[in-house]
Amino acid sequence: AQSVTQPDARVTVSEGASLQLRCKYSYFGTPYLFWYVQYPRQGLQLLLKYYPGDPVVQGVNGFEAEFSKSNSSFHLRKASVHWSDWAVYFCAVSMNQGGSAKLIFGEGTKLTVSS
Amino acid sequence: EAAVTQSPRNKVAVTGGKVTLSCNQTNNHNNMYWYRQDTGHGLRLIHYSYGAGSTEKGDIPDGYKASRPSQENFSLILELATPSQTSVYFCASGWSQNTLYFGAGTRLSVL
Repeated sequence: AQSVTQPDARVTVSEGASLQLRCKYSYFGTPYLFWYVQYPRQGLQLLLKYYPGDPVVQGVNGFEAEFSKSNSSFHLRKASVHWSDWAVYFCAVSMNQGGSAKLIFGEGTKLTVSS
Repeated sequence: EAAVTQSPRNKVAVTGGKVTLSCNQTNNHNNMYWYRQDTGHGLRLIHYSYGAGSTEKGDIPDGYKASRPSQENFSLILELATPSQTSVYFCASGWSQNTLYFGAGTRLSVL
């Protein structure tokens, strides 16, 4: 069955340090993949999305992600974390069903930025 | 940018009562979705819709109904609310295979 796993429920990173948030997916075929961010008491906002093509995709605020078919992964990276990145990050895969799509989300990774 | 508005933002209901959560979107998206968010589960899909008059069951539809009377509006209905339905509910809209735009969420407590 299609699914998304984010193995790290919580990650703490020092401000200015690099970041990697892990995402593993299970999907038959070529997936469409997304990273969303949720700031406190807000809805989710799109960070970046992968459509079949270049495996490295750039997003907003310096985020990027790399798709790996061999590893079934879509990890999120940032070179230098800012305190404003403190949020919950969700990985998602798009499932095409009956001509329309629905997103299946991972459990989320809560990022804490320490000073 | 798409605007998705949910109402109410907070709701306290009694067990066995009826609850209606409303969602309105102004960008003429065909697809709308209702998710609930719980610690340890991420977001789980309850119902979704391809357009006015259509509703489809998501992954956890039991205890919920949905209504899409127009392109703009999509409601989630709890006919007999239970404490297990205490959660944060998110509405979203979008086109097929594309970005979803989320509302700010409704925090529901069922006592």
